Amino acid sequence: SAVISQKPSRDICQRGTSLTIQCQVDSQVTMMFWYRQQPGQSLTLIATANQGSEATYESGFVIDKFPISRPNLTFSTLTVSNMSPEDSSIYLCSVEARGWNEQFFGPGTRLTVL
Amino acid sequence: GESVGLHLPTLSVQEGDNSIINCAYSNSASDYFIWYKQESGKGPQFIIDIRSNMDKRQGQRVTVLLNKTVKHLSLQIAATQPGDSAVYFCAENLRLQGGSEKLVFGKGTKLTVNP
Repeated sequence: SAVISQKPSRDICQRGTSLTIQCQVDSQVTMMFWYRQQPGQSLTLIATANQGSEATYESGFVIDKFPISRPNLTFSTLTVSNMSPEDSSIYLCSVEARGWNEQFFGPGTRLTVL
Repeated sequence: GESVGLHLPTLSVQEGDNSIINCAYSNSASDYFIWYKQESGKGPQFIIDIRSNMDKRQGQRVTVLLNKTVKHLSLQIAATQPGDSAVYFCAENLRLQGGSEKLVFGKGTKLTVNP
């Protein structure tokens, strides 16, 4: 398994600003992912964070709105840009390593946009 | 299409009873399924998984059943305890072109265990 931390755990932001969320893993992992979970809803994959190359985005999510960095095998950031109230969600990172079967999730970042 | 859904959005049981949470998936090519438990304010926690070459897998107090004929997945929790109260998600592992994979999550079932 892996221990995953996220910063910040929660934040309240003003419309039009940007927030960068950090995800740190205690061991090197092959795959890192970013999900969004809107209030009372399920998880939706935003993108796969690729180490050393651009992230792979899912339909409906674009790099300009959700830029992602993955500088090494234990760390990734997700930025929510030019925020609006519709971006109020929980943002979760998850990891998967070769040889593991499952994805492990971080505790999430609860974002409220006013 | 890509969709994994649940039959019941809420489930309320008495402590000590057995719980059954159901899930339907749509992609017959999916080869791996996972159940997650999400407690309030926390990220999803892995419970149990099953590969498509199996129809049953047991863990501690939990059993997952897979029926590929009707594309149905269920999670059985034996002797449900108050600590089992949470939202439960099934997830389907889709294999995409180029060898990549992604998890598609169902809508979730909120389980409430009454003492």
